[in-house]
Amino acid sequence: EAGVAQSPRYKIIEKRQSVAFWCNPISGHATLYWYQQILGQGPKLLIQFQNNGVVDDSQLPKDRFSAERLKGVDSTLKIQPAKLEDSAVYLCASRGLNTGELFFGEGSRLTVL
Amino acid sequence: QQPVQSPQAVILREGEDAVINCSSSKALYSVHWYRQKHGEAPVFLMILLKGGEQMRHEKISASFNEKKQQSSLYLTASQLSYSGTYFCGTEWNNFNKFYFGSGTKLNVKP
Repeated sequence: EAGVAQSPRYKIIEKRQSVAFWCNPISGHATLYWYQQILGQGPKLLIQFQNNGVVDDSQLPKDRFSAERLKGVDSTLKIQPAKLEDSAVYLCASRGLNTGELFFGEGSRLTVL
Repeated sequence: QQPVQSPQAVILREGEDAVINCSSSKALYSVHWYRQKHGEAPVFLMILLKGGEQMRHEKISASFNEKKQQSSLYLTASQLSYSGTYFCGTEWNNFNKFYFGSGTKLNVKP
């Protein structure tokens, strides 16, 4: 079974530029999460999807971050414009109904200069 | 909203035991435990459900005290491979918002 795919793995941009991250969850997983993990901290929930509907986006900085999950499968997370404090690893995770555990992708490491 | 973990860091010698705690101010439906090694994504260890039994993964076990809304992870006879950062993750209802704690960094030395 293929795991959660994320791209790009690494991205370096200047502040005020934009960036987009892509995630393809495990086939059949209805729940998809985007987390931001700053070095030395725990993953912070940005947005949670159930199919293509949003369950929670209370911690998503909506003035600069946006996310969508068209057709309830893959998802994109966009940052525009980026700030220095957005430097972090962006983790995508998906979850199946049976086991309940979260499966993580390898993450996308963003550096904002 | 995020669960609170303690301690922040633990240093052990191989073969020693450790306990990591995770607590919530709100009634929980489930608690998950994950381990993350440097530069890698978190990996699932176990899940504890409200009203469920104590779980075990190799020599690592965990319990969930519903009265205190607290979970504890027990690492017995630690091995070098146990080194990493341990996170608890919690949710209040099934498939509701899923929050992680700040992590406990475990360093097992020979």
